[in-house]
Amino acid sequence: DAKTTQPNSMESNEEEPVHLPCNHSTISGTDYIHWYRQLPSQGPEYVIHGLTSNVNNRMASLAIAEDRKSSTLILHRATLRDAAVYYCILRDDSSYKLIFGSGTRLLVRP
Amino acid sequence: GAGVSQTPSNKVTEKGKYVELRCDPISGHTALYWYRQSLGQGPEFLIYFQGTGAADDSGLPNDRFFAVRPEGSVSTLKIQRTERGDSAVYLCASTKNPLSGSNTGELFFGEGSRLTVL
Repeated sequence: DAKTTQPNSMESNEEEPVHLPCNHSTISGTDYIHWYRQLPSQGPEYVIHGLTSNVNNRMASLAIAEDRKSSTLILHRATLRDAAVYYCILRDDSSYKLIFGSGTRLLVRP
Repeated sequence: GAGVSQTPSNKVTEKGKYVELRCDPISGHTALYWYRQSLGQGPEFLIYFQGTGAADDSGLPNDRFFAVRPEGSVSTLKIQRTERGDSAVYLCASTKNPLSGSNTGELFFGEGSRLTVL
């Protein structure tokens, strides 16, 4: 699976939007983009996924660059509960497993 | 609850001992994954089951690690002759249908079993 690059950490203020970037310059046309997050002392949880078009769900939005070499996870209003490690993962459509990197640790200031 | 259940939540053992970690997936989920997570790192893939068979065990670090899923539901990860380097959180995840093609069903993770080898 192609590799992703994320900042080690980011900070945000509560109730402000957060934009978490992910670079994946070697992405192939069949790679899906998945985002998971891991709250302290818990297993990872699904956030959102996409292929080419931007996606929205109740948790977040996923903005995918036109060339697909980068994407951004958008939390519209950060809460203290959103403090977690966020993982951006590429999965080839022939693969059945997710390969996690180190992710971005998001700190939310009250 | 109806989530993935892992037991024990914490296990402390001595170097050289044998350990079993159990995973109860969500009912009806055919695909089951084991991951290992060391402090400050992302989860590392160990093994994937589709039904009763291990479809991919390429992530198991060596032959001291073994996992089974005899009836296609509960899975047990077995570690022989434990070493201090095996200390980590072992995570289990399940999904109803395998991730394949456009079927990108989410993985549901348990809270993990923290293994400490003294």
